[in-house]
Amino acid sequence: EVQLVESGGGLVQPGGSLRLSCAASGFTFSTYWMHWVRQAPGKGLVWVSRINSDGSSTNYADSVRGRFTISRDNAKNTLFLQMTSLRAEDTAVYYCTRDLLNSGSYDYWGQGTLVTVSS
Amino acid sequence: SYELTQPPSVSVSPGQTASITCSGGKLGDKYVCWYQQKPGQSPVLVIYQDTKRPSGIPERFSGSNSGNTATLTISGTQAMDEADYYCQAWDSSTGVFGGGTKLTVL
Repeated sequence: EVQLVESGGGLVQPGGSLRLSCAASGFTFSTYWMHWVRQAPGKGLVWVSRINSDGSSTNYADSVRGRFTISRDNAKNTLFLQMTSLRAEDTAVYYCTRDLLNSGSYDYWGQGTLVTVSS
Repeated sequence: SYELTQPPSVSVSPGQTASITCSGGKLGDKYVCWYQQKPGQSPVLVIYQDTKRPSGIPERFSGSNSGNTATLTISGTQAMDEADYYCQAWDSSTGVFGGGTKLTVL
């Protein structure tokens, strides 16, 4: 069974940093592109970042480029999102997602981890 | 930046056909996928690459994409289909979601 389990969310002050993790199981993690998608409370879905299967290529939304870094450890089946210079508008549930056949669509989603940026 | 536009809400009677649109410039030249999200749950992929249904998604869900508009069609809508629906496409290595449509079955 495919599972994606996010962790690392919490309350952080503006300007602070946080590292999210996503533990993957039930599939060959090293062969899939992976993404982060976020959803502010009561709002819609927003794509954040993606990484290719071996970690050599990454892309970011304009709103997070230069502040967030996506990475992966294929030996540990784990996806990461390092977030720095956090702003109030980064407050959201962050979902880890698996890319279906490199199609840019997500066939599996984690349960999400809530990041709250507030003083 | 590229934008996708969805109607905020759509209403349908049980058993009828619901159509949810997603509009964007030359959208027909891109692949579109659709997600269903129920309150308190993670989204579920219901259509990918314009018309394909993932395993386990009922046949009543179908998709199309042409010109500037993609459409998610739910035939014989059931009460369990009441949810938020989001379209997604890609533009210049950037993922873009529509704003979402709340489908009400009444």
